[in-house]
Amino acid sequence: GQNIDQPTEMTATEGAIVQINCTYQTSGFNGLFWYQQHAGEAPTFLSYNVLDGLEEKGRFSSFLSRSKGYSYLLLKELQMKDSASYLCAVVGSNYQLIWGAGTKLIIKP
Amino acid sequence: IAGITQAPTSQILAAGRRMTLRCTQDMRHNAMYWYRQDLGLGLRLIHYSNTAGTTGKGEVPDGYSVSRANTDDFPLTLASAVPSQTSVYFCASSDAGGDYNEQFFGPGTRLTVL
Repeated sequence: GQNIDQPTEMTATEGAIVQINCTYQTSGFNGLFWYQQHAGEAPTFLSYNVLDGLEEKGRFSSFLSRSKGYSYLLLKELQMKDSASYLCAVVGSNYQLIWGAGTKLIIKP
Repeated sequence: IAGITQAPTSQILAAGRRMTLRCTQDMRHNAMYWYRQDLGLGLRLIHYSNTAGTTGKGEVPDGYSVSRANTDDFPLTLASAVPSQTSVYFCASSDAGGDYNEQFFGPGTRLTVL
């Protein structure tokens, strides 16, 4: 079967750093996406990894290890507006996305 | 402003009724998708279209149909709605020639079937 696992919910403090993990078991791998989704809104693209290593984009970074079936999203200098759900999605063998259930991130002042 | 629009924003529907959710994009993307999002579950693919004139079944296609007569429009039809189809429906599109082939999402339609 195909499986994407993320923590259901995480809490962090404004100004801090948080790491959201995603592990996957899929039949085929053609890349991994992270999306952000604010409550009641559509998902929006954050990052894409297809090779092992770290991709940095401003306050957000994403890491991939294909051999471990593992990725994480790192958010630095947290702001209240970062309160949202973060969705991990793997591009499978048929090039369709397989989505995790998402991690709800709560930022406290 | 380029993007994807969906209509209606929300709808309450009696079971057994027919309903079409509309989706239009103006980015000239070749691929389009319909997902449903339910609490505690990931986005689940209902149907997709890789190019105008072709469609394919996703993970949860039963009870839904789609058509892709042109590049811009990708309507989703529920022939006879059932309460289990209560969900938030998102339409998305992607450009296979883009850097990441990331999907761009519409604002969603919140559907309640009673």
